[in-house]
Amino acid sequence: SQQGEEDPQALSIQEGENATMNCSYKTSINNLQWYRQNSGRGLVHLILIRSNEREKHSGRLRVTLDTSKKSSSLLITASRAADTASYFCATSPNTNAGKSTFGDGTTLTVKP
Amino acid sequence: KAGVTQTPRYLIKTRGQQVTLSCSPISGHRSVSWYQQTPGQGLQFLFEYFSETQRNKGNFPGRFSGRQFSNSRSEMNVSTLELGDSALYLCASSLALQETQYFGPGTRLLVL
Repeated sequence: SQQGEEDPQALSIQEGENATMNCSYKTSINNLQWYRQNSGRGLVHLILIRSNEREKHSGRLRVTLDTSKKSSSLLITASRAADTASYFCATSPNTNAGKSTFGDGTTLTVKP
Repeated sequence: KAGVTQTPRYLIKTRGQQVTLSCSPISGHRSVSWYQQTPGQGLQFLFEYFSETQRNKGNFPGRFSGRQFSNSRSEMNVSTLELGDSALYLCASSLALQETQYFGPGTRLLVL
């Protein structure tokens, strides 16, 4: 099974509302990354948060990491129709050369 | 800097054929990873290369192989294609292992 699991699987909101997505993982990590994918295209990196960090911001994005609960959340504030996409978390394990593992993603639909 | 490029972008093959996909990483990036994305299985890790050495391998049959050249460009090959190999194949490059991955647009393979 995937290391990272996003929740919810799908989310539909109105423009201007906030969207929160969660990611849970099973083993110790070196870092956790969030990516966005527009339909059928490549993934775009959003934020990388390291295991010794608790919160990071980038524009309208806020990511938190709780290593005790093995979970992370991605908050998109004041959402726009252009935020409609699938969002994935990826975890890099706490080993020197462990591979990153992606979850199944959250599909976000922002209605204008 | 130019982003990650993948060629070809689209490919149609028939069962039993073989295919080679190419990935050119961002200049200076030494790590290249490959992923297979399908609606049913999500993003599945194929392999990861760093400095011409395969560092990690996913759970795919031996029909899937890859390599990385001295200029960090990478190729992956799938032999004896099966219908189930139809997918979007994504390549990602990063400066080093476990760092932020930058994805290409993908190669969409259809096996008939």
